[in-house]
Amino acid sequence: QQQVKQSPQSLIVQKGGISIINCAYENTAFDYFPWYQQFPGKGPALLIAIRPDVSEKKEGRFTISFNKSAKQFSLHIMDSQPGDSATYFCAASGYSTLTFGKGTMLLVSP
Amino acid sequence: DTEVTQTPKHLVMGMTNKKSLKCEQHMGHRAMYWYKQKAKKPPELMFVYSYEKLSINESVPSRFSPECPNSSLLNLHLHALQPEDSALYLCASRDIRDSAEEQYFGPGTRLTVT
Repeated sequence: QQQVKQSPQSLIVQKGGISIINCAYENTAFDYFPWYQQFPGKGPALLIAIRPDVSEKKEGRFTISFNKSAKQFSLHIMDSQPGDSATYFCAASGYSTLTFGKGTMLLVSP
Repeated sequence: DTEVTQTPKHLVMGMTNKKSLKCEQHMGHRAMYWYKQKAKKPPELMFVYSYEKLSINESVPSRFSPECPNSSLLNLHLHALQPEDSALYLCASRDIRDSAEEQYFGPGTRLTVT
């Protein structure tokens, strides 16, 4: 049973555009929602995270939007750059372990 | 500093070999994790140690044997692996002293079983 559904599977965005990745979860016990960025051959790096008592969190060009009633959250990358090309994983945690989405491969074209 | 280090970076081993992966962190984190990641897939949890005690084993085959000798070090002993065990093995740590949720990953060990 996949508890965190992530879409799209892949995404191509032009430089300067907005990249949007969506996730939906089922387990209402989840109370922490991080996004990880992973480059090929590297470990996942924590990008930004949110708790369900907040509807939006912004760090630089990265914003998480959170809709508790819909059990959905999304990552927005503003002014996308070629260096943002990577795989992005959403995740959810409620009992000290992370449940990951399947990942989104983002390609930002120059 | 949120650094988790892993050695070796790459490992090639035969199915009859015994080898070990090492993970180290000096952030004072008291929870440490082993994950397995296949290409184009998310990390899969294998083991969790809390305060140097094994707290979660995700039904991992016994050919993988974790060890946490102290609060900074985590090992994964490998024996009689199969080619399908080839993957990126990731270590992560978390500061559970104040119930922080953030997990910090190391760069991983790329394992190839021949």
